[in-house]
Amino acid sequence: EIVLTQSPGTLSLSPGERATLSCRASQSVSSNYLAWYQQKSGQAPRLLIYGASSRATGIPDKFSGGGSGADFTLTITRLEPEDIAVYYCQQYGSSPRTFGQGTKVEIK
Amino acid sequence: EVQLVESGGGLVQPGRSLRLSCAASGFSFRDYAMHWVRQAPGKGLEWVSGIGWNSDSIGYADSVKGRFTISRDNAKNSLYLQMNSLRVEDTALYYCAKDSPFGSGSYPDYFGYWGQGTLVTVSS
Repeated sequence: EIVLTQSPGTLSLSPGERATLSCRASQSVSSNYLAWYQQKSGQAPRLLIYGASSRATGIPDKFSGGGSGADFTLTITRLEPEDIAVYYCQQYGSSPRTFGQGTKVEIK
Repeated sequence: EVQLVESGGGLVQPGRSLRLSCAASGFSFRDYAMHWVRQAPGKGLEWVSGIGWNSDSIGYADSVKGRFTISRDNAKNSLYLQMNSLRVEDTALYYCAKDSPFGSGSYPDYFGYWGQGTLVTVSS
């Protein structure tokens, strides 16, 4: 089973700053099959990124995904209060599919 | 607009059963694999089970294998999860989720759409 470790656990930034979230896999993720989700408090997760770097339908370009192999990042530019959420990565290159434990993004 | 609406959650004693339903609309339900993903209170996400578009491919997480059964009715645009022998550790918000165009029941891809979830609480 691929274990996904997200860091940091909590990210506290000021409005307008750039947030960089990390997702590290215990082994290489096949074909870079890595997705990112945003979950706001009391809401269902929302798909942001799939295939490591492809934005899902309707996702603004302030969200971008990168990386390959076992190291992936989600970057949020121009942080806004509406970006407050927990962000999860998920790999779908190996079975069982697994999620990271999440990174909480806060606004200072 | 894609909509997934779960129902059937509630409070149940350990060892008892519960059946969850998910009503889908806004897309061609019969063309997609569908899944259940759960989230224990204050915790992360865990894929529970998935079923292919024609029920040919079915998968379960090890934690529920042998206790949970997934099914679907394409004529009713509905997904189900029969949960037997429930345990305290099954307590969670259960989400219905739509797979990508390429996923299968046993091998899901990413989850493009999610319902709002139905809460299952297992407690004596």
